[in-house]
Amino acid sequence: NAGVTQTPKFQVLKTGQSMTLQCAQDMNHEYMSWYRQDPGMGLRLIHYSVGAGITDQGEVPNGYNVSRSTTEDFPLRLLSAAPSQTSVYFCASTQGETQYFGPGTRLLVL
Amino acid sequence: AQSVAQPEDQVNVAEGNPLTVKCTYSVSGNPYLFWYVQYPNRGLQFLLKYITGDNLVKGSYGFEAEFNKSQTSFHLKKPSALVSDSALYFCAVRGHSNYQLIWGAGTKLIIKP
Repeated sequence: NAGVTQTPKFQVLKTGQSMTLQCAQDMNHEYMSWYRQDPGMGLRLIHYSVGAGITDQGEVPNGYNVSRSTTEDFPLRLLSAAPSQTSVYFCASTQGETQYFGPGTRLLVL
Repeated sequence: AQSVAQPEDQVNVAEGNPLTVKCTYSVSGNPYLFWYVQYPNRGLQFLLKYITGDNLVKGSYGFEAEFNKSQTSFHLKKPSALVSDSALYFCAVRGHSNYQLIWGAGTKLIIKP
């Protein structure tokens, strides 16, 4: 099993550009989530999904969209990038009470 | 509201000494508590969890945590620290909805040879 994979590993955007962060898991987990990690703030939940076709907002959803067309994939879209979205983004899938994290995407918005 | 506090931004320990990373929580009802570790440039990895039962929980890499209901704490411990234990440690509590976690800010653990 590859576990949770994320692409790209690093991305630089200009303000106003859009992009999609990819996330995939091969463990057949129903629940997936996106977090952003900022220094001194821990992880904050952006969006989550309890299964294909079902998504919901987390703590900091503004500026981000998600979709879940399959169990495996859970892409995160930045609609119009802003410098405040400079962060490290983690995707996770959950089995039982345990979350499995991808390696992260480091995003810099100029 | 559910919350988690990690009062120390950084903990420094000499190799071979015992280590403690502190975590306190505030929840309504019975807490589901977790510790995760993040090595540099990596995603978070699950260490251990407390759901119910014995207050002393054993996890990966020789770590353990003690649940203390009266002090609302869930401190992470290890009897003898290794340099390779140096990493960022996060405490978390399950939120109102199933599977959602509320995270502490993290504690950087530095083990010096």
